[in-house]
Order: sequence, then structure tokens, then C-alpha cells
Amino acid sequence: EPEVTQTPSHQVTQMGQEVILRCVPISNHLYFYWYRQILGQKVEFLVSFYNNEISEKSEIFDDQFSVERPDGSNFTLKIRSTKLEDSAMYFCASTTGGPEAFFGQGTRLTVV
Amino acid sequence: GNSVTQMEGPVTLSEEAFLTINCTYTATGYPSLFWYVQYPGEGLQLLLKATKADDKGSNKGFEATYRKETTSFHLEKGSVQVSDSAVYFCALTPTNFGNEKLTFGTGTRLTIIP
Repeated sequence: EPEVTQTPSHQVTQMGQEVILRCVPISNHLYFYWYRQILGQKVEFLVSFYNNEISEKSEIFDDQFSVERPDGSNFTLKIRSTKLEDSAMYFCASTTGGPEAFFGQGTRLTVV
Repeated sequence: GNSVTQMEGPVTLSEEAFLTINCTYTATGYPSLFWYVQYPGEGLQLLLKATKADDKGSNKGFEATYRKETTSFHLEKGSVQVSDSAVYFCALTPTNFGNEKLTFGTGTRLTIIP
């Protein structure tokens, strides 16, 4: 069964460092998303991406964040200068355009 | 704006007990409704969905009915198992057209005791 894959599963980084979280969406999917879940809190939308551009972003998704689909298969989330409060589980999701989103296993980011 | 209010947890039940996790929503128009499950150490998996009023979503013995009159989508299971221990999230998208962000509830942690 096709699935969304995310790497790495766990990333530890020092405050102020740049991180890139990687996702490979399901191959025929057209819409891509990043969500995050701070420990013990709700899952929050960060950004959606379609046709090589951002279609919507939340207030969380400030200038420190960027997304890219560099090669037609990967979908990346970059955080330029990480802060302690960026520590969270980051989920990638993709859809064909219908209502059902398929999520990856998540990347746990720990900023120290 | 859209929002989802979910029964606070944690919920602890004995095996074979009846489960209800309440979920109500606020949305304009005709949202699609979802239950996602997060097993320990894993990501989010779609458990079931309903895209229009009175639809019943079902999977793995779980059911939820889209009730527009009460703006609810309560999750039920007649006889829970230890393997159902997980965090359950109610969520919505504004329509069933796709390309829309999910709005999640806070999640309910369910623990089933043998």
C-alpha cells in the first residue's frame, strides 16, 4: 500500500541551527501539507502546497519556515534558525485532491 | 472560524467495555468529518470519515455518525480491546472538495486495561 515516508524519524539540533525535514508523498498525490504537534497538544496546520507554490499558511509559518519540492518527489520543510519552541512532532501529509489526507510517521524535532 | 471540540481525556476502560468519545464542531457550510488515531510511537492514521450529513463512517468496529442537527461526530465502539489503546483525534475540513487543511481537536488518550 502506498504511504507517505518521512526522514529522519528523530532529529536533535542546537538552537539557532537550520534543519530540513524531508517527506516523500504518495506518488500520484497533488496536494502536500505540513502539520506539527507540540508534545501533549493538538495537531496544528502549518502550510499547504500545490502546483509548486504555497496555497495556504498559518500564522505559525513565519519567515523562519520555508517549503520546497525540489525534484518532483521530495517535499521539504526548512526551519532556518531553530528555537526551543520549535520542538515538536512534524507530520507531512498528501492528498489526491479529495478529502482524505494520508500522513507520514512524523519527524520528532528536539531543539536543545 | 472552524473548530473542533473533543472530549477531554484521558479515558481508561476495561477490555470489552463500550466506548464513546464525544466530538462537536463549529463550521460554516458542509464540512467533512474525520477520526484519526495515533498509536504509541506512530503517526496519524485515518480511522473513519463522513462527508455529508447522516453518513456513518465505520472501520475496525468503530463507528461515527455525522449529525448536522447537533453538529456532532461522536466515536463509538461496542467492545474495546487492549490494542485500541491510542490517542484519537476528531478533525474536519471545510468541505469535501479537497485541498483543505484539517482542523483537529485536542485528542483523547484512550487506555484499555485487560
